[in-house]
Amino acid sequence: QVQLVQSGAEVKKPGASVRVSCKAYGYTFTDYFIHWVRQAPGQGLEWMGCVNPNTGAAHYARKFQGGVTMTRDTSIATAYMELRKLRADDTAVYYCARVFGPVGEIDLWGQGTLVSVPS
Amino acid sequence: QSALTQPPSASGTPGQRVSISCSGSGSNIGSNYVYWYQQLAGTAPRLLIYRSDQRPSGIPGRFSGSKSGTSASLAISGLRSEDEADYYCAAWDNSLNGLVFGGGTKLTVL
Repeated sequence: QVQLVQSGAEVKKPGASVRVSCKAYGYTFTDYFIHWVRQAPGQGLEWMGCVNPNTGAAHYARKFQGGVTMTRDTSIATAYMELRKLRADDTAVYYCARVFGPVGEIDLWGQGTLVSVPS
Repeated sequence: QSALTQPPSASGTPGQRVSISCSGSGSNIGSNYVYWYQQLAGTAPRLLIYRSDQRPSGIPGRFSGSKSGTSASLAISGLRSEDEADYYCAAWDNSLNGLVFGGGTKLTVL
């Protein structure tokens, strides 16, 4: 079955880092870019950036440059998103998602990972 | 402040046709395709429309998308109770060099 399966919920202290994983099943991992999108409680969707599964090159939204790192391990078809120096307003559900190529529609989403940063 | 502007809410009765607008600029909607996503409560978003007016397989024909200039719209005909959800438009932005979303529209089926 074609799906993206993410790691479980995390609770972190302010200033800490979190790493969320996203494992791909049922398709060729290197055919699709992995994007990360977050959604704060009761808020809309916010694009964070993406990683090229072939080269490992990542591209980040300006807001997150310097504070996030997106990587991948092709041997286990898994992408990672690490967010550093967490603040309370980083509390959100983080989604990984795939896009065929660097630009296009997101046609598959992970189930989401809740990261909580209590103030 | 989202790069794309959507009305925060919309509503209709079963069987009605509703439309949700999405307004952008020349660097996003004016230059690129528009995508629409449906998000049911507590779930991940789902692709409804791609390339501004195309439906993925499995999406009912009741859903349609259109684009004109720097605006786009999603229309839902024959409204059903299961259509009650949040709807987001999205487009790539050439100036920001990234994907931008609208703020979302909460659709209520009365």
